Amino acid sequence: DAGVIQSPRHEVTEMGQEVTLRCKPISGHNSLFWYRQTMMRGLELLIYFNNNVPIDDSGMPEDRFSAKMPNASFSTLKIQPSEPRDSAVYFCASRSGGADTQYFGPGTRLTVL
Amino acid sequence: GQQLNQSPQSMFIQEGEDVSMNCTSSSIFNTWLWYKQEPGEGPVLLIALYKAGELTSNGRLTAQFGITRKDSFLNISASIPSDVGIYFCAGFFSGNTGKLIFGQGTTLQVKP
Repeated sequence: DAGVIQSPRHEVTEMGQEVTLRCKPISGHNSLFWYRQTMMRGLELLIYFNNNVPIDDSGMPEDRFSAKMPNASFSTLKIQPSEPRDSAVYFCASRSGGADTQYFGPGTRLTVL
Repeated sequence: GQQLNQSPQSMFIQEGEDVSMNCTSSSIFNTWLWYKQEPGEGPVLLIALYKAGELTSNGRLTAQFGITRKDSFLNISASIPSDVGIYFCAGFFSGNTGKLIFGQGTTLQVKP
């Protein structure tokens, strides 16, 4: 099993640029989660999807952040325009329906200069 | 919102020592999970607990679901250098909508 796949693993961009992070969940999992991890705030849930439908986006910081899940095997998290305070590690996780355990991807380390 | 208080924040121990960390909540939790995160990687599930009082082991790791359903602890016996990392508790509180709540993490360093 390939596990959750995220790309890119590292992203360095300049303030104001658009950033798109990608995630492929584990095949057969029907829930997908986007988290952000920083030293100051720890792991924060940004948004999660069930069966490709956004269920809770209350953790999305502001309108500059958007997430989509066009199909069961792909999701994107977009930041436009990016700001230095968006620098963090962004994790995607997936879960099989009815199960409690979430499986995390390796993360994307984003640096906004 | 719901929060988990995890302690200690960090530990620096000698190889061979036992380690104990815990999480508490003001709300009742239905499930407790313990994750480990190594540098440059995502959290990996270690142990899952589903019933109050449940005690579960995974090798040298033992975790318990508190009787009050508001706490959990993780013990690591006879620590080794590869135990280093950040340990997170996480859980679903009663009545939530599928949102996993994470503790702040315990950073463990082991001196050979």
